[in-house]
Amino acid sequence: EPEVTQTPSHQVTQMGQEVILRCVPISNHLYFYWYRQILGQKVEFLVSFYNNEISEKSEIFDDQFSVERPDGSNFTLKIRSTKLEDSAMYFCASKADIAGSYGELFFGEGSRLTVL
Amino acid sequence: KQEVTQIPAALSVPEGENLVLNCSFTDSAIYNLQWFRQDPGKGLTSLLLIQSSQREQTSGRLNASLDKSSGRSTLYIAASQPGDSATYLCAVVGSNYQLIWGAGTKLIIKP
Repeated sequence: EPEVTQTPSHQVTQMGQEVILRCVPISNHLYFYWYRQILGQKVEFLVSFYNNEISEKSEIFDDQFSVERPDGSNFTLKIRSTKLEDSAMYFCASKADIAGSYGELFFGEGSRLTVL
Repeated sequence: KQEVTQIPAALSVPEGENLVLNCSFTDSAIYNLQWFRQDPGKGLTSLLLIQSSQREQTSGRLNASLDKSSGRSTLYIAASQPGDSATYLCAVVGSNYQLIWGAGTKLIIKP
C-alpha cells in the first residue's frame, strides 16, 4: 500500500542550527502538508502546498520556516535557525485531488526534532 | 474559530467491551471529519473519513458517525482488543481547508 515516508525519524540539533526534514508523499498526490505536535499538545497545522506554491500557512509558519519541492518526489521543511520551542514531532501529509469532495489526508510516521 | 473537543481524555476498559469515543466541534461548516489512531511516539494512522454529506462510515470493527448540525461525531469500537490501545484523534476540515484537531482520547484495553 502506498505510504508517506519521512526522514529522519529523529534529529537532535543545537539551538540556532538549520534543520531540513524530508518527506516523500504518495506518488499521485497533489496536495502536501506539514503539521507538528509538541509533546502533550494538539496537532497543529503549519503549511499546505499545491502546484509548487504555498496555498495556506498558519501563524506558526513564520520566516524561519520554508518548504520546497526540489524534485518530483521530495517535499522538504526547513527551519532556518532552530529554537527550543521548535522541539516537536513534525508530520508530513499528502492528499489526492478528488473532484467533488475533500479527500483523505495520509500521514507519515513523523520526524521527531529535539532542539538543545 | 473552530474548536474540536474530545471526551473523555482517557478511557480504560476490559477486553471485549464495546465502546464509544466522542468528538464535538463548534462550527458545523465542515468539509469532512477524520478519525486517526496514534500509538505512543508514532505517526498518525487514518481510520475513517466521513464527508460532510455522509452520516456514517464503517471499517471492520470501527464505525464512525457524524451529526453535522449538532457538531458531533462518535467512533464506535466493537469487541475491543488489547491491540486497540492507542490515542484516538478526531480532526475536522473547515472553511480554511486545514485539519483542526482534538486533543485525543487515550484508550487502554485491559486483557
